[in-house]
Amino acid sequence: GQQLNQSPQSMFIQEGEDVSMNCTSSSIFNTWLWYKQEPGEGPVLLIALYKAGELTSNGRLTAQFGITRKDSFLNISASIPSDVGIYFCAGQPSGGSQGNLIFGKGTKLSVKP
Amino acid sequence: DVKVTQSSRYLVKRTGEKVFLECVQDMDHENMFWYRQDPGLGLRLIYFSYDVKMKEKGDIPEGYSVSREKKERFSLILESASTNQTSMYLCASSLFRTGANTIYFGEGSWLTVV
Repeated sequence: GQQLNQSPQSMFIQEGEDVSMNCTSSSIFNTWLWYKQEPGEGPVLLIALYKAGELTSNGRLTAQFGITRKDSFLNISASIPSDVGIYFCAGQPSGGSQGNLIFGKGTKLSVKP
Repeated sequence: DVKVTQSSRYLVKRTGEKVFLECVQDMDHENMFWYRQDPGLGLRLIYFSYDVKMKEKGDIPEGYSVSREKKERFSLILESASTNQTSMYLCASSLFRTGANTIYFGEGSWLTVV
């Protein structure tokens, strides 16, 4: 089946550093979504992208829908300890059904104060 | 704000018991989903529903069934729980929008089968 490659798998950074993570696919996607999940909780939607080339910010977070429609990245600027968690990308393949969101395996972010 | 509420956060059940996981959303979304999440395996779709009384199998439907009698409510049923169904279960919902499916998740239900 279709898969998303999300990288890196984990990051251990110093407070104040910028963070970048990305997802790539072998097929074209219509939608890219980025979620954050904290331990014991459900994923929370951070940013949704619907158009190729779209660049959207949410506070210190910025995400882009790649021009090829096969990739997306998420940047976090000036990281703080509460940014700790697992970040997931998800995408809806072109022509996919309403239920056919594909999820990346997640990037685990650790921030050292 | 979208609110997806899962009735039970933590459950412990015995092997062979029938288990009901309930989910309610308050945004009049057409689509509802049940996923399970396991370390190293990520999120896997069990079932989804795009309308009342409609259901579609996801990637791992074996051992599960679902019920959608009302638009706002989607239930996951384990007819006879087994230890390999110990997991975190996530309910989600979304609007019906062709080509743009933004899913909102509940807080999760931790099920332990002993």
